Amino acid sequence: DVKVTQSSRYLVKRTGEKVFLECVQDMDHENMFWYRQDPGLGLRLIYFSYDVKMKEKGDIPEGYSVSREKKERFSLILESASTNQTSMYLCASSPPWGTGATTGANVLTFGAGSRLTVL
Amino acid sequence: SQQGEEDPQALSIQEGENATMNCSYKTSINNLQWYRQNSGRGLVHLILIRSNEREKHSGRLRVTLDTSKKSSSLLITASRAADTASYFCATGRGSTLGRLYFGRGTQLTVWP
Repeated sequence: DVKVTQSSRYLVKRTGEKVFLECVQDMDHENMFWYRQDPGLGLRLIYFSYDVKMKEKGDIPEGYSVSREKKERFSLILESASTNQTSMYLCASSPPWGTGATTGANVLTFGAGSRLTVL
Repeated sequence: SQQGEEDPQALSIQEGENATMNCSYKTSINNLQWYRQNSGRGLVHLILIRSNEREKHSGRLRVTLDTSKKSSSLLITASRAADTASYFCATGRGSTLGRLYFGRGTQLTVWP
């Protein structure tokens, strides 16, 4: 079964710590995404990547950075964690734009999520 | 905002009843998708409907799309307790590298 794996389901960090959230997919997907999910706000896109070493800002990139050194891995980095970054973080991947049964659409496969608490 | 908006925010029904959720959006789209999320987990893709389609079926799911009203509905027939989850619509515009815009979701509770 194809998978998107997020390395940590639950993390507790202190304000000011550097935090790494790792995401690995085994589907050979080109596109990878990081969302955060907060009650009442839905899913908001932080960053996405459509190729190795490529990245694009989403709607809320401030306070975050990303790394995509290998096709299968997309890391989200909080350089200095703050309490307002307490959230559920969701990683997703998708095949290249315009392929297969979903030609012209972007169908996402999500990981199970990483719930981060910053104290 | 380019998000879709689901309605209602919460829906509570008995097993065997049908559940209908609606999604409205503001910009032009080339596809609309519905996802499901069980509590504390990631989202799972349910169904995709393109802007030139009006209705699609998948098992107990029926999705309609009215591009003139910029709205979609998801119907789950003969609901089961296992359908209890949050349901999100997501719109794709066919550009901006294929990114999706998600709504805030409808929380569906199906009572046995």
